[in-house]
Amino acid sequence: QVQLVQSGAEVRKPGASVKISCKPSGYNFISYYIHWVRQAPGRGLEWMGIINPKGGTTSYGQRFQGRVTMTRDTSTIYMELSGLRSQDTAVYYCARSLGAAGQDYWGQGTLVTVSS
Amino acid sequence: DIQMTQSPSSLSASVGDRVTITCRPSQGISNDLDWYQQKPGKAPKRLIYAASNLQSGVPSRFSGSGSGTEFTLTISSLQPDDFATYYCLQHNSYLLTFGGGTKVEIK
Repeated sequence: QVQLVQSGAEVRKPGASVKISCKPSGYNFISYYIHWVRQAPGRGLEWMGIINPKGGTTSYGQRFQGRVTMTRDTSTIYMELSGLRSQDTAVYYCARSLGAAGQDYWGQGTLVTVSS
Repeated sequence: DIQMTQSPSSLSASVGDRVTITCRPSQGISNDLDWYQQKPGKAPKRLIYAASNLQSGVPSRFSGSGSGTEFTLTISSLQPDDFATYYCLQHNSYLLTFGGGTKVEIK
C-alpha cells in the first residue's frame, strides 16, 4: 500500500534551519511529484512547494522563496527551511500527486517547534 | 499567485442538512480544483478531484461542481462523521494555493 513516512518532531531556536524527510513506499518513486504543505497551530493549510523526484526540479511558493530547499535522493524527499522564526512553528506534511495536481496520499506530518 | 476565497469560514448545521461550501479563485482555473476534508490532528483527505470527480472510497453524499471562477462542494445529507474542516486547492499552475478553510460544526 502507498505510504509516505516522515521524520520525527524537531525543536529549533530562531534563526536555525531544519531538514525534514519523507520516504514514500508502495509505488514507483519517480512517477509522482511530492508537495510540502504546512499548518500552523489553529490555522489553515499552506502550500510550500513541489519537487519532481525524477529530475529534481522544484517550484516554491513566493512566501518561501529563498528560505526553502527541496531535494531528493534515490528513495527519500527532503525539505529544508532556514532562517526559522516562531511563526514557522507548524506541522509539516509531505503529499504526492500525479503531476502538479492535487494530492492523493499524505504523510503523517512532522511537528516543528521554533522556540528560544 | 492565484488567491482562493473560500466561504463561509465556518457554519453550524444539523445531521441531515444539505451543506454547500464555495471557492472562488482570483482568476479562471478551468477545472483544476480539489476538495479536502481534515479532522483535528489528522492529515487532509481528498474528497473531490478535478472539480467534480469523487475520490475512490468517498461517500456519494459528497459532490463537487463548477469551473473557471466558481466552485462548490455539496454534502447532500450531513452525517456525524462529516463534522470537520474543508479546504479547496487550486492546481492550475506550478504555484498551488489552498482556500482558507470552512469549519463545519454541529448545531
